[in-house]
Amino acid sequence: QTVVTQEPSLTVSPGGTVTLTCASSTGAVTSNSYPNWFQQKPGQAPRPLIYSTSNKHSWTPARFSGSLLGGKAALTLSGVQPEDEAEYYCLLYYGGAQMFGGGTKLTVL
Amino acid sequence: QVQLVESGGGVVQPGTSLRLSCAASGFTFSSYGMHWVRQAPGKGLEWVALISYDGSVKFDTDSVKGRFTISRDNSMNTLYLQMNSLRPEDTGVYYCAKGGPRRAADLDYWGQGTLVSVSS
Repeated sequence: QTVVTQEPSLTVSPGGTVTLTCASSTGAVTSNSYPNWFQQKPGQAPRPLIYSTSNKHSWTPARFSGSLLGGKAALTLSGVQPEDEAEYYCLLYYGGAQMFGGGTKLTVL
Repeated sequence: QVQLVESGGGVVQPGTSLRLSCAASGFTFSSYGMHWVRQAPGKGLEWVALISYDGSVKFDTDSVKGRFTISRDNSMNTLYLQMNSLRPEDTGVYYCAKGGPRRAADLDYWGQGTLVSVSS
């Protein structure tokens, strides 16, 4: 049973920097896992932020960036804004099937 | 602009069937892989299934194998999810999502979702 693990919750101050991570129980996350990151606010559909590890969509704010860090996928927010408070999900590819992490609740305080 | 509109959700009893639809517009539907993703009330996202641009390749998650079938009609620009033998744990919002231009694994547009409630 494959499990994708994210931090359940993180807190960051406005203007600060925070890194969210995404780990796979099968081993190191690589570029071949094509990590995607999504932001979801209450009552809304998920909003895509990052695809294939580090690529931004045309609507993704510059303060969001994706990378691989220590065998995990990572999403870094630099210069956090109050409106970044949300749930964040990663999605990994497993040769056909895909799996979401459990989500990270980001609080901006 | 890309639009994905899900429909077909509702309240059903355990053991029954339901078919969800996702009407696509604003892009060449027949060129892209498509996904279904669901979210139980108050819970996280769960990837459900993927179908290739031409319908020849399908993948789904273990919890729906043998019960759910993803399909598409490229002439109607519509994606489907046939759900049989429904269980209470299938309750949630079902989203369709479009695969990316370089690879289907990159989800770039989502619909607003349709709610499925399985209860006796």
